[in-house]
Amino acid sequence: DAGVTQSPTHLIKTRGQQVTLRCSPKSGHDTVSWYQQALGQGPQFIFQYYEEEERQRGNFPDRFSGHQFPNYSSELNVNALLLGDSALYLCASSLAIAGGPRQETQYFGPGTRLLVL
Amino acid sequence: AQSVTQLGSHVSVSEGALVLLRCNYSSSVPPYLFWYVQYPNQGLQLLLKYTSAATLVKGINGFEAEFKKSETSFHLTKPSAHMSDAAEYFCAVSDRGGAQKLVFGQGTRLTINP
Repeated sequence: DAGVTQSPTHLIKTRGQQVTLRCSPKSGHDTVSWYQQALGQGPQFIFQYYEEEERQRGNFPDRFSGHQFPNYSSELNVNALLLGDSALYLCASSLAIAGGPRQETQYFGPGTRLLVL
Repeated sequence: AQSVTQLGSHVSVSEGALVLLRCNYSSSVPPYLFWYVQYPNQGLQLLLKYTSAATLVKGINGFEAEFKKSETSFHLTKPSAHMSDAAEYFCAVSDRGGAQKLVFGQGTRLTINP
């Protein structure tokens, strides 16, 4: 049973560039959440996608956007990168309860480490 | 708004000693509570979760946590530490409805001394 996978594992970008991170959920899961974990901090919720729509959003600017595909995989896009965007980006998948939007437990992928220079 | 406070950013214990990692939460609604573990350069692995059944929750690797509503706490314990327990531990809270986003604490780094 494949768990949550993310690509790439590491990425280096320069300020002002754009980046796309990818996530494939655990088999059978239909919901994807994205978190940002700065060095030495706990993860911070960015947003959650369910039924190809953004269902909830954390306190992140519009530079952060996402998408969910019909196969439930998801992308996180960040535009106009800032040095402060350097972090580990974690994807978590879960299964909606009885048609949603409530979720079962979230399972995390290994993350994508982004460095902005 | 929900929040989590983990008391002690670093905890060090000897191998075989009791592990106690503290977590206090704030929530205006009955919460779901979680403990996750993060090993170096890896994602988060679920240790255990409380979802309103038994207040004493048993997880993987010999860990357990007790939900105490009166103290708004959900401390993580393990009777006997093993070297492999060295990692970062995160307590998280979510509400019971909606999209159930997780709100994490700052984390506690656990070091095991031989």
